[in-house]
Amino acid sequence: DGGITQSPKYLFRKEGQNVTLSCEQNLNHDAMYWYRQDPGQGLRLIYYSQIVNDFQKGDIAEGYSVSREKKESFPLTVTSAQKNPTAFYLCASSIGGTSVYEQYFGPGTRLTVT
Amino acid sequence: AQSVTQLDSHVSVSEGTPVLLRCNYSSSYSPSLFWYVQHPNKGLQLLLKYTSAATLVKGINGFEAEFKKSETSFHLTKPSAHMSDAAEYFCVVSDRMIKAAGNKLTFGGGTRVLVKP
Repeated sequence: DGGITQSPKYLFRKEGQNVTLSCEQNLNHDAMYWYRQDPGQGLRLIYYSQIVNDFQKGDIAEGYSVSREKKESFPLTVTSAQKNPTAFYLCASSIGGTSVYEQYFGPGTRLTVT
Repeated sequence: AQSVTQLDSHVSVSEGTPVLLRCNYSSSYSPSLFWYVQHPNKGLQLLLKYTSAATLVKGINGFEAEFKKSETSFHLTKPSAHMSDAAEYFCVVSDRMIKAAGNKLTFGGGTRVLVKP
């Protein structure tokens, strides 16, 4: 089955700890994205990557970091500098390039920080 | 700059009656538009997309949307609601002509649909 996997589905951490969310895709897509979703709100872009070893900040990158060492993987680290890390995190991928293509989403990871 | 406004945060319909979800967009050039659906604690699934071909777009599960440039709207409709349509729906825009934007999408705030038996 082709698709995007995110793990774990639920994640709990203590305040002050860094945590890394996994995102893997086997769609052979060039572009990958991380979004944050808060209750009653739309999705906000954290980081995106159009190609391996390159990524750009989205609209709310502060307190987050990413890497793109492999085409199929785009992990997101939520650092202790992120003031309100509790949220639902969604990873997506698309064919990429300068044309617009739809994005395919993973099932999400719900992060709770106490 | 591009933006999306979903005019209703909540819509309640009875099973078997029509569904209308309203979306207005703002885009500098020629937009691509999408509707996604999200069931509770799940990822987003693409319902349909408009990319400058036919203005009436048919999607999955009986949904369709009409692109109206003069009204800058992309409303989503379904003739007969089913209980499984209860979910949150997002209208999304991307500006096809701004190459620097790559494939960045802008999401509306979402419309939560309740279907009553």
